[in-house]
Amino acid sequence: DIQMTQSPSSLSSSVGDRVTITCRASQDISKSIAWYQQKAGQAPKLLLYATSRLESGVPSRFSGSGSGTDYTLTITRLQPEDFATYYCHQYYSSPQTFGQGTKLEI
Amino acid sequence: QVQLVESGGDLVKPGGSLRLACAASGFTFREYYMSWIRQAPGKGLEWVAFISSSGSTMSYADSVKGRFTISRDNAKTSLHLQMNSLRAEDTAVYYCARPKIDYALLDAFDIWGRGTVVTVSS
Repeated sequence: DIQMTQSPSSLSSSVGDRVTITCRASQDISKSIAWYQQKAGQAPKLLLYATSRLESGVPSRFSGSGSGTDYTLTITRLQPEDFATYYCHQYYSSPQTFGQGTKLEI
Repeated sequence: QVQLVESGGDLVKPGGSLRLACAASGFTFREYYMSWIRQAPGKGLEWVAFISSSGSTMSYADSVKGRFTISRDNAKTSLHLQMNSLRAEDTAVYYCARPKIDYALLDAFDIWGRGTVVTVSS
């Protein structure tokens, strides 16, 4: 199974800041990575897929990059509604696996 | 609109059984692989099982293999998860999820239900 190591596990930031969350895969996943945002009591929401493709309706302050085993989610100009938990997800091979999550707090 | 609605979650004793359902609407259900994904309290996401669009192929996480069975009824646009020999560690919110691309085995999940809560406790 491919292990997804996500860091940091938690992060404190302020409105207007720029933050970066990283995911390292245990093997090359050929850019087959998605990022989700989850708020308390809600289902995960897809933000980005195929490393850098923005899901419809997601603000452009969210962006993704990476290749091989290392990937990042960047949020610029943090807004109050961005404070949530974020997960990476590799869909390169089965079983699909998720990172442990990053809780973004004010 | 495109929607997934789970049901069937409950409190069950260790060793017991439960059958979850997911009602799909707003898209051509028979064209999509479907998955169950779970989230234990305060924990991350764990893929549990998928089933092919036709229902002929299934795959399971090692943690549930031999105990859980995924199935679907394309005529009724519904997905099911039969859960047997339940353990405390199966306690979680169970989500059904759809991949972005039809007929895709491996893809990002763009549609999620709101989840149904399964609690395994004596």
